[in-house]
Amino acid sequence: EDQVTQSPEALRLQEGESSSLNCSYTVSGLRGLFWYRQDPGKGPEFLFTLYSAGEEKEKERLKATLTKKESFLHITAPKPEDSATYLCAVLGGANSKLTFGKGITLSVRP
Amino acid sequence: GAGVSQSPSNKVTEKGKDVELRCDPISGHTALYWYRQRLGQGLEFLIYFQGNSAPDKSGLPSDRFSAERTGESVSTLTIQRTQQEDSAVYLCASSLQESYGYTFGSGTRLTVV
Repeated sequence: EDQVTQSPEALRLQEGESSSLNCSYTVSGLRGLFWYRQDPGKGPEFLFTLYSAGEEKEKERLKATLTKKESFLHITAPKPEDSATYLCAVLGGANSKLTFGKGITLSVRP
Repeated sequence: GAGVSQSPSNKVTEKGKDVELRCDPISGHTALYWYRQRLGQGLEFLIYFQGNSAPDKSGLPSDRFSAERTGESVSTLTIQRTQQEDSAVYLCASSLQESYGYTFGSGTRLTVV
């Protein structure tokens, strides 16, 4: 059974204070690791897909990296508008659906 | 449409009543998923439709839950004899191909009183 663990559960940063969010996973035959952002009262919004260890993707202040056991979402010089819950999910083996972690709630203070 | 549309956005129902939740996926997306998100919990898979194949119902928590999809368009999730533990946000997502990731709707917030 695929498993995803995200840490920490919550993170409070000062504006401009860079940090990283962790996603550890167990999956039989990774076919993709996904990062989503979710704002209160809204559905998750797709950010990145990573397919193999060593792969990196960037979008504005966000950079996602992948190893064989975990993924990191690095946030460089965050702004208050980056405050949201960040979800990690995996697609593995013969599964046809994503398995999600519980998410990390990020708050960025001005 | 431009995105995944869900209705209603909010639903309050009395315990024991039946409810129907609707999802209108992105045109051309053959895959459609229903997930449930309880307060403080991760997204919980419910059911998956892919084209004309038999749906994957492995995530439905009980026989009170059922879902249908007409071809590659609208889907409805039905919960019969609702219980308080059914209170959650029900999210629908569609995808052109599973490895491309999903596009989610804004969800239906169901409250059973």
